[in-house]
Amino acid sequence: QVQLVQSGAEVKKPGASVKVSCKASGYTFIDYFMHWVRQAPGQGPEWMGWINPNSGVTNYAQKFQGRVTLTRDTSISTAYMELSSLRSDDTAVYYCARDLLSTVIPDYWFDPWGQGTLVTVSS
Amino acid sequence: EIVLTQSPATLSLSPGERATLSCRASQSVSSYLAWYQQKPGQAPRLLIYDASNRATGIPGRFSGSGSGTDFTLTISSLEPEDFAVYYCQLRSNWPLMYTFGQGTKLEIK
Repeated sequence: QVQLVQSGAEVKKPGASVKVSCKASGYTFIDYFMHWVRQAPGQGPEWMGWINPNSGVTNYAQKFQGRVTLTRDTSISTAYMELSSLRSDDTAVYYCARDLLSTVIPDYWFDPWGQGTLVTVSS
Repeated sequence: EIVLTQSPATLSLSPGERATLSCRASQSVSSYLAWYQQKPGQAPRLLIYDASNRATGIPGRFSGSGSGTDFTLTISSLEPEDFAVYYCQLRSNWPLMYTFGQGTKLEIK
């Protein structure tokens, strides 16, 4: 079955960077765009960006431009999200989420999702 | 930027009752709207996409309707496992971004 397994929880200090991984299985990794979405405590989800695992092309939400970097390693079917210059309001659960459909452009919907990675930013 | 407004914020119902959740977009999105269910400590799960298509494995008691700016998620007869938070979501093309509503919490009365 299709599965996305993310790395474990992280605690970081303000100003640091964090890198979260998302290992895919059960499908051809390069055939589906991968998105990253975060959810702060008590808030709705917030989309951060996508990566085309085949080409490595990325697109970021304007809010995160310059602070987020999405990469992938096709040899191990793993996507990565790195967020720099962390602030306390970056404390959130970070999810990877695959496109519902395999298409040449990003799909509209996300399915499935990884289990989430809690990133806590605290001095 | 298109804004999604969900109502009510909280809905208190009993098992077996019918639930009706609303999502309103600030401008027309045609039928490009999805609904997700999220239980505590879990990731969101896709229920409905393209306004009315059930995702794989989603029970028939879940249905979606609407187009343009007004959308509805209906749960015909609530099961105990349906009490959760529900989010609507859209994709806008210019600029390309994905937006979620703030959610409706469906709680047991």
